[in-house]
Amino acid sequence: DAGITQSPRHKVTETGTPVTLRCHQTENHRYMYWYRQDPGHGLRLIHYSYGVKDTDKGEVSDGYSVSRSKTEDFLLTLESATSSQTSVYFCAIMGTGELFFGEGSRLTVL
Amino acid sequence: AQSVTQLDSHVSVSEGTPVLLRCNYSSSYSPSLFWYVQHPNKGLQLLLKYTSAATLVKGINGFEAEFKKSETSFHLTKPSAHMSDAAEYFCVVRGLSGGSYIPTFGRGTSLIVHP
Repeated sequence: DAGITQSPRHKVTETGTPVTLRCHQTENHRYMYWYRQDPGHGLRLIHYSYGVKDTDKGEVSDGYSVSRSKTEDFLLTLESATSSQTSVYFCAIMGTGELFFGEGSRLTVL
Repeated sequence: AQSVTQLDSHVSVSEGTPVLLRCNYSSSYSPSLFWYVQHPNKGLQLLLKYTSAATLVKGINGFEAEFKKSETSFHLTKPSAHMSDAAEYFCVVRGLSGGSYIPTFGRGTSLIVHP
């Protein structure tokens, strides 16, 4: 299995609070992605990174920011969480042409 | 731009009967295509991938898919469904956008298997 871990796995927070999700890989892959999964929508790309300090927006980036200061870590930040950001968040890395996923982080915003 | 359309949100079959999950894609670049499976409350697992080699791709657990460029399709099939196949299936296209590889997911097909 690809070495990719997400933390925290579960989080409950209140509207307006900041939240940071962490994705850590041990594979030294260049590409890392953050997706959110919602019923009926599949997985939608939030942000992605193609190298250290190289990031770009996906289709649902509003309200999210990311940072990648090291190859192995890709952080997703919700500056001020809203109830619409209640979701399951998946981090993925791209290996030899295919994606490997973390176990997901379930975020509930009350 | 690229996109993926999974033509059925739900597919219901009886155990032992064939499975067909349909996927159409659009891409301005010669894409790579994938099918992933997600069992309830689990992560995503790669079933199979097409990367411009053989057009008929065999995957795990008896699944296979055929890449048809003229139809822009990549349908997933299995000759005989098993109860353990009940899950959510995602078709994914990976293309180039602005010099970066971007995987785009379909909305998913829920496979229901009846005994």
